[in-house]
Amino acid sequence: EPEVTQTPSHQVTQMGQEVILRCVPISNHLYFYWYRQILGQKVEFLVSFYNNEISEKSEIFDDQFSVERPDGSNFTLKIRSTKLEDSAMYFCASSEEYNEQFFGPGTRLTVL
Amino acid sequence: DQQVKQNSPSLSVQEGRISILNCDYTNSMFDYFLWYKKYPAEGPTFLISISSIKDKNEDGRFTVFLNKSAKHLSLHIVPSQPGDSAVYFCAASPWNSGNTPLVFGKGTRLSVIA
Repeated sequence: EPEVTQTPSHQVTQMGQEVILRCVPISNHLYFYWYRQILGQKVEFLVSFYNNEISEKSEIFDDQFSVERPDGSNFTLKIRSTKLEDSAMYFCASSEEYNEQFFGPGTRLTVL
Repeated sequence: DQQVKQNSPSLSVQEGRISILNCDYTNSMFDYFLWYKKYPAEGPTFLISISSIKDKNEDGRFTVFLNKSAKHLSLHIVPSQPGDSAVYFCAASPWNSGNTPLVFGKGTRLSVIA
């Protein structure tokens, strides 16, 4: 069964450093998303991406964040200068046009 | 702002009995609702969905009921099995199409006791 994959599973970084989280969505899906879940809180939408551009973004997705689909398979989330409060699980998801979103296993980001 | 609320953080049920997980929403624009299950160290796994034109959707042991006037939905699992023990998230969106951000509740931890 096709699945969304994410790397790395755990990323530890120093405050102020840049991190890139990587995702490989399901191959025939058209829409891609990033969500995050801070420990003990709900899963929150960050950004959606379609046709090589951002479709929607939340207020969390400020200028420190960017997304890219550098090739036909990868979908990345970059945080330019990490803050302590960026520590969270980051989930990538993908979907076809009218169906449910499938989530990856997540990347745990720890900012020290 | 909690647009999607799951007021029970946890629920314990005996194996073989019915599990009922509840979800309330406040945004009347929500038109499409989903339930996800999440095990530790894994991403949310889609379980079942329902659009506002229906009041019930069934898939095997899982049934979702939607009461649009009350802005309430529930997930019934019958019979409950130990493998169902997980955190269950209710999610909602204004429509069923791509590009739609899902708004999640905080989740309910279900424990099915053998």
